[in-house]
Amino acid sequence: EPEVTQTPSHQVTQMGQEVILRCVPISNHLYFYWYRQILGQKVEFLVSFYNNEISEKSEIFDDQFSVERPDGSNFTLKIRSTKLEDSAMYFCASRYSGQPDEQYFGPGTRLTVT
Amino acid sequence: DAKTTQPPSMDCAEGRAANLPCNHSTISGNEYVYWYRQIHSQGPQYIIHGLKNNETNEMASLIITEDRKSSTLILPHATLRDTAVYYCIVRERTMAQNFVFGPGTRLSVLP
Repeated sequence: EPEVTQTPSHQVTQMGQEVILRCVPISNHLYFYWYRQILGQKVEFLVSFYNNEISEKSEIFDDQFSVERPDGSNFTLKIRSTKLEDSAMYFCASRYSGQPDEQYFGPGTRLTVT
Repeated sequence: DAKTTQPPSMDCAEGRAANLPCNHSTISGNEYVYWYRQIHSQGPQYIIHGLKNNETNEMASLIITEDRKSSTLILPHATLRDTAVYYCIVRERTMAQNFVFGPGTRLSVLP
């Protein structure tokens, strides 16, 4: 069964550094998403992406965040200057265009900012 | 999107049916009920969704009341691997819309 994959599984970085989290969505999916989950808290939506542009973004997704689909398979989330409060699990999700509209989530990247 | 209310936690004996309730009294006519689960910090996993008819798939059954103000997710024979946080989400089926996750119900399947 096709799966969303994410790398790395765990990323440790120092405050102020840039990080790039990578995702490979399911191959025939056209909508892509990033969510995050701070330890012990809810899963929160960050951004959705379709047709090479952002469709929606939350207030969390400020100017230090960016997303990109650099090629036909990868979908990335960049945090330009990490803060301690960016420490969280980051989940990538994808869905098919049209119906059904369920989103399929990857296993996540645990980001630790020290 | 309509708000949902779920109990914070439930226990279920292994092998028995787990019935997880969800209240969504403000649901509108074009909003669907979706269920996801999250097993120990893994990515959320889609389970099932429905509009007004009961639905069943290989994972679970979804029972929606006639007035659509509440629903129940049924895991017919719970196993230890079903221990997870279960999220009931109500939303329209639109093209790009994200899912809004609440605190969910933490289901513990006990041996």
